[in-house]
This record gives sequence, structure tokens and C-alpha cells, in this order.
Amino acid sequence: DADVTQTPRNRITKTGKRIMLECSQTKGHDRMYWYRQDPGLGLRLIYYSFDVKDINKGEISDGYSVSRQAQAKFSLSLESAIPNQTALYFCATSDPGQGARGYTFGSGTRLTVV
Amino acid sequence: GESVGLHLPTLSVQEGDNSIINCAYSNSASDYFIWYKQESGKGPQFIIDIRSNMDKRQGQRVTVLLNKTVKHLSLQIAATQPGDSAVYFCAENTNNAGNMLTFGGGTRLMVKP
Repeated sequence: DADVTQTPRNRITKTGKRIMLECSQTKGHDRMYWYRQDPGLGLRLIYYSFDVKDINKGEISDGYSVSRQAQAKFSLSLESAIPNQTALYFCATSDPGQGARGYTFGSGTRLTVV
Repeated sequence: GESVGLHLPTLSVQEGDNSIINCAYSNSASDYFIWYKQESGKGPQFIIDIRSNMDKRQGQRVTVLLNKTVKHLSLQIAATQPGDSAVYFCAENTNNAGNMLTFGGGTRLMVKP
């Protein structure tokens, strides 16, 4: 099993619909992240959580919300999807003691909003 | 705002040649830099990192060079192989309170047989 699992892998949804992207990790790390990737742009941070009771906005949090259900689970929601939220979404977890080496990314969720 | 960016969006090299991927950063306070490789359908994978107190670091077939004077970072891949075909990202550490990363836009490396 992958260390970081994202579901679904692909999703097409209509404008205005609510959608949830799920992420679970088996690394046992406290820190989890949601990133968005657009063509030609680097990964941009949407939200991050340093432990179950800690939720922080990232660079581009507008239009998104998150829930940290447990140490291993961190879900991202689009309350009312819009076409410019079409992107590739990555979840990650990290071990702060290892710096960037401690980051583990999921395989991504490709979301299309029509 | 300050950002990390890349000079070339696509780099095409012949198998066996050396590849050089470049990255410019603008945050002079950044003290830790990382290169990631992203293969199609996968998340980014750590390749190599370097701290600002170094100007060169070598790994297996990869070397990262840091020039703080001109705020430039490069990734050199020796004897490029078809398996090296991927998108490569540089990233910088931006938060001393945690290992938060700011990513560059990515360069696609294509290896011709």
C-alpha cells in the first residue's frame, strides 16, 4: 500500500457541486498538507495541518475547506466547485525532523470542473 | 511577492548526455533548497537538497549547485537516461518554524534515445 493514498484519482464534477477529496497516510506523521498544481506553475499550498487540532490556511485557501479527522486523515472540500478549480491536487505528509527529505506526496487527484 | 522560478519550461537531451536544469530564487533569506522529480501520474519525489552554507552537493548521478550571489540553483544529471524523463521542481524552505516549502514552476526533461 502507498504511504499516502488519495481518493479519488480522477473526478469530473459540475459547477456549483460540493466535492471532497480524501487523503490518508500510513507514515505516522503529524503534519499533512494539501497542494494544488496547475500547468506551468509549481505546487501551491492550500491548507496545512501540524496536528489533529491544528488547521492553517495556505497561499490559496479561498474556495476550499479542510477537515483533519484523525492523524492519518486529512480531507479537502470544495464547497461550490468552479471551473478555475480544475487542477491536479496533491496531499502530502512530512516528518519535520527530516526537512524536505521527510515529505511524502500522494499520487494526486485530477479534478475537472465543467 | 518573492518566489522560486525556473528558466526553461522544457529541456530535451540526448540519452547519455548531461542535463542541467536551472532555477532562480528571489528570497535572499531562504536557507534550504530542494530538487524534486515528478513522473507522470505520480507525486513529487525528493532528489537532493542543499543548505545555504554549501555551494555544491553531489548525489548518485546528480549534483546541485547553489550560487547565492545571483540567487541561482541548478541540478545537473550525469549520463541522462530515459528514466530521467520527468518534470523537475526546485523548492525553497520559507518558514523557520516548520519545513514549509515554496515550489518553482517546473521544467520538463525529455530524454531522446
